[in-house]
Amino acid sequence: EVQLLESGGGLVQPGGSLRLSCAASGFSFNTYAMSWVRQAPGKGLEWVSVISDNGGSTYYADSVKGRFTISRDNSNNTLYLQMNSLRADDTAVYYCAKGRSGIAAAAINYWGQGTLVTVSS
Amino acid sequence: DIQMTQSPSSLSASVGDRVTITCRASQGISKYLAWYQQNPGKVPKLLIYAASTLQSGVPSRFSGSGSGTDFTLTISSLQPEDVATYYCQKYNSAPFTFGPGTKVDIK
Repeated sequence: EVQLLESGGGLVQPGGSLRLSCAASGFSFNTYAMSWVRQAPGKGLEWVSVISDNGGSTYYADSVKGRFTISRDNSNNTLYLQMNSLRADDTAVYYCAKGRSGIAAAAINYWGQGTLVTVSS
Repeated sequence: DIQMTQSPSSLSASVGDRVTITCRASQGISKYLAWYQQNPGKVPKLLIYAASTLQSGVPSRFSGSGSGTDFTLTISSLQPEDVATYYCQKYNSAPFTFGPGTKVDIK
């Protein structure tokens, strides 16, 4: 059974940093692309970033480019999102998500339960 | 960047009704389109990928069609458990934008 368990969310002040982690199990982690998708309270889904199976390709939404960094540790089946220079509009539930294939251009077929990031003073 | 729009933004239908949701891309995306269902308070779930391929385990009352810029998600006979917000997503190239969503409830 595919399991994606996010951690690292919490309350942070504007301008601060957080690192989200996603522990994956139940599938061959190193053969699938992984994504982060966020959802602000009461709002729709917003794609944030994706990383290919071997980490060789990464892509970002314009809203986070230059501030967020996606990475993965295939030896430990873990996905990361380093978030710097956080702003109030980054407040959202952040979902870790598994792609249907190893390339970035793939639909998402599994989602974690999400971790809440709140940016506020 | 390619923009994704959905219509309607919300709809109310009776159990058993046929429901159609439209997703439009501002430029052609071939068939690189997915549909997701998010029930209230739940995590999104993949319904359809490649515009028309039903994800394993998804009821056959859901279907998708289209290519290029215009896509449709159809629920052939609306059930109470289909109350949800439905999102389309393009994945031909980054950014892998979601549509704004269509909220479906029961009349």
